[in-house]
Amino acid sequence: KQEVTQIPAALSVPEGENLVLNCSFTDSAIYNLQWFRQDPGKGLTSLLLIQSSQREQTSGRLNASLDKSSGRSTLYIAASQPGDSATYLCASGEVAAGNKLTFGGGTRVLVKP
Amino acid sequence: DARVTQTPRHKVTEMGQEVTMRCQPILGHNTVFWYRQTMMQGLELLAYFRNRAPLDDSGMPKDRFSAEMPDATLATLKIQPSEPRDSAVYFCASGRTGPDGNTIYFGEGSWLTVV
Repeated sequence: KQEVTQIPAALSVPEGENLVLNCSFTDSAIYNLQWFRQDPGKGLTSLLLIQSSQREQTSGRLNASLDKSSGRSTLYIAASQPGDSATYLCASGEVAAGNKLTFGGGTRVLVKP
Repeated sequence: DARVTQTPRHKVTEMGQEVTMRCQPILGHNTVFWYRQTMMQGLELLAYFRNRAPLDDSGMPKDRFSAEMPDATLATLKIQPSEPRDSAVYFCASGRTGPDGNTIYFGEGSWLTVV
């Protein structure tokens, strides 16, 4: 059974600092990795999807890497802004099961002005 | 903008009452998921469908929960009878199967409180 872990559970950084969010998973078989953002009281917004055959994806200030050999994914957010404050969740997607997602517990990020 | 639509957005009900949550997946998506989010357990998969067929509902308490897809544009999650421990946010999500998986999109959630 896939298990996904995110450490730390919470993170506080000053504005402008780069953010590094970690995600680890136990089974690196045919899975992709998706990063989400969740604002308080809101749903999940997809940020990046790394297909199982890929090593990284980039969108604007966001870059996510996937290292299946070590069972890790990292989300980098460059030059953080107060608007980046949210909870970030990673999820491992089981491709053979229609991309069924197993979620980590999330990292709650606060970017201080 | 295509989006997953969920109703109701908020529901307060008394213990023992039936609750039905509805979801309209994104047009063209053939997989639909129901997740539950609580502070203690985080996000848990309750059930999912592919091409309207239920594939896995092992995460769902079968005695009181049921999930169906009457047609490709509607998925339902029903709780009968509801209990206070069912209080949570219920998310519907949809996606499209492909050889290497595709992005899963979430609705805004149905916030359920059972008193």
